[in-house]
Order: sequence, then structure tokens, then C-alpha cells
Amino acid sequence: GEEVAQTPKHLVRGEGQKAKLYCAPIKGHSYVFWYQQVLKNEFKFLISFQNENVFDETGMPKERFSAKCLPNSPCSLEIQATKLEDSAVYFCASSQFYGSQPQHFGDGTRLSIL
Amino acid sequence: DQQVKQNSPSLSVQEGRISILNCDYTNSMFDYFLWYKKYPAEGPTFLISISSIKDKNEDGRFTVFLNKSAKHLSLHIVPSQPGDSAVYFCAASDQTGANNLFFGTGTRLTVIP
Repeated sequence: GEEVAQTPKHLVRGEGQKAKLYCAPIKGHSYVFWYQQVLKNEFKFLISFQNENVFDETGMPKERFSAKCLPNSPCSLEIQATKLEDSAVYFCASSQFYGSQPQHFGDGTRLSIL
Repeated sequence: DQQVKQNSPSLSVQEGRISILNCDYTNSMFDYFLWYKKYPAEGPTFLISISSIKDKNEDGRFTVFLNKSAKHLSLHIVPSQPGDSAVYFCAASDQTGANNLFFGTGTRLTVIP
């Protein structure tokens, strides 16, 4: 599609439950990025993919967080055993190529952990 | 540590006047800079970018200036319109590295009709 599509818009989970977020990048874009926005205005990079391969995962918490981009499927970000501090808006972005290319963002998934 | 900083949390400007939003960075490896506009409950929308080989890039009412020696960039919007009211984020990346974006904390622009 012409836009980055993220689902669901809002996800509510009890502490300890699993959460799974989805992202369909813009068609033809090879790179996918996940960011976490906490405290309203702070974006934190989590992980990036080049097609289905992990490109950079330096921002991913080592425990509980995992992500995939499989062929012909939306990319996903999964959080096991959620904690209150995981409450945030999770944004997905895609870019066409590597290098001086803008990343285009979806509208995010608001994850609320109760 | 915050590698990209926007020190003004908010800015109010009269319609028709110039809006100037500022951004500073600390990492000398950054070589690609972007400005995004964000409305509530939406994702950041790309506005304009500049590579470190340039010092100015213009697109319609939007101009971005880059001062590499000062590690400073600014976004000029002229003339400002009420529809420009939003939160503006500055972002930077190292194109020789992982390519992920480092964001500032945003400046809320209010354009007064």
C-alpha cells in the first residue's frame, strides 16, 4: 500500500500477558524500523529489518521483546510477559533504500498495560 | 543521553509570519537530518530533509538550514499558516551506520490566526 499500516490502534493487556503488534510497510520498501515512544515525546529505536533479515537490533531489550518480518506477511513486534513500563506508543516506519532516505511512519499502536 | 535536542518545547507565531524551529545535535557522525510534523494520535509525517553535504534545502514554504560546525539545524516556515500548528520533531542519523533515527523531544508550534 501507499502508507505504513499498523494494527491494532490500541491494545490493552494485563501485566504478564503477551502483546503482539503488526506493521505492513509501504509496498516496495525494503527497510522496516520499530520505535517506542514513551513520555509522550521521547522516541527510542528498537530494531530494524532489511526485508526479512534483522539489520540492527541494538535497541531491543534482550528479554521479552522479539520481532519478525516474514515474506508476504506483516512485520510483527511481540512482547512476552508484559510489564507496566512497556506501556507506550509503538511506531513502525519504512524506507525504500538504505542511505539518505526518509522513513515514513505509521500511526502507531498504543499499548496499555494494566 | 539525548544526542538530538530541541530546547524550545513550544513556540507561538502569528499567521503569515515566519516560524523558526531549532535543533542541536552532539554526535559528529550524524550526516542526514530530517524534520517531521506530528498531530495527536497520528504518526510523524516527513516534511523535509538535508544531507550533511548541503547547508540549505528548500521545499515550498519550508527551508532547512544546517550549520555543521555548530552542530545546529533549523526549520523555517514562511508564511506560517494555522494548519501548521503541530509538534515538530527534528531527527538525525548516521548513514554509514545503522541508519536508525535519533529524535529530539519536539517543539509544539501554534500559529495564531
